[in-house]
Amino acid sequence: EPEVTQTPSHQVTQMGQEVILRCVPISNHLYFYWYRQILGQKVEFLVSFYNNEISEKSEIFDDQFSVERPDGSNFTLKIRSTKLEDSAMYFCATTRGDGYTFGSGTRLTVV
Amino acid sequence: QKEVEQNSGPLSVPEGAIASLNCTYSDRGSQSFFWYRQYSGKSPELIMSIYSNGDKEDGRFTAQLNKASQYVSLLIRDSQPSDSATYLCAGSFSGGYNKLIFGAGTRLAVHP
Repeated sequence: EPEVTQTPSHQVTQMGQEVILRCVPISNHLYFYWYRQILGQKVEFLVSFYNNEISEKSEIFDDQFSVERPDGSNFTLKIRSTKLEDSAMYFCATTRGDGYTFGSGTRLTVV
Repeated sequence: QKEVEQNSGPLSVPEGAIASLNCTYSDRGSQSFFWYRQYSGKSPELIMSIYSNGDKEDGRFTAQLNKASQYVSLLIRDSQPSDSATYLCAGSFSGGYNKLIFGAGTRLAVHP
């Protein structure tokens, strides 16, 4: 079963620091997403990415966030200046149209 | 505002029973629905997708969609303790490869 791989599995960072979360999508999937889940809350959409550009973003995805696919394989989420409220599980997801596959997630803890 | 609503539970069923999980959604234009299972601290795992009215069966799982009533359900037959998890209902609105909107999830506990 193809997998979406995310690294790191857990990251602890100080408030105000930049973090980069990485995802390796399934190879023949073309649509990529980032979601987050604050502990005990719903899974929330952040951004979708297709053909090397953002196709949709949520209100959460403000100027502190950015995404890119720098080398044709990795798909990254950057948070420029982390806040305490950015502490959450971040999930990458990909699809080719027949169901969305989620990565194992990165637990981000901002202290 | 497109929303997906679920009863948070917990839903407790004995081993071997049928567990019935329900979900409603607000947007009549919704195209596709998905049921995910999420164990604590883990990522969502796709169980079923359903795109048209009616039932869809896969092993012990049956998804039901009623677009007129804006209602989606998941039945789990012969429930096992390993089925104990949070079940997330998600909708993809406006077709294509759009974002998923998730419900809050229903916690299912299957007791021996």
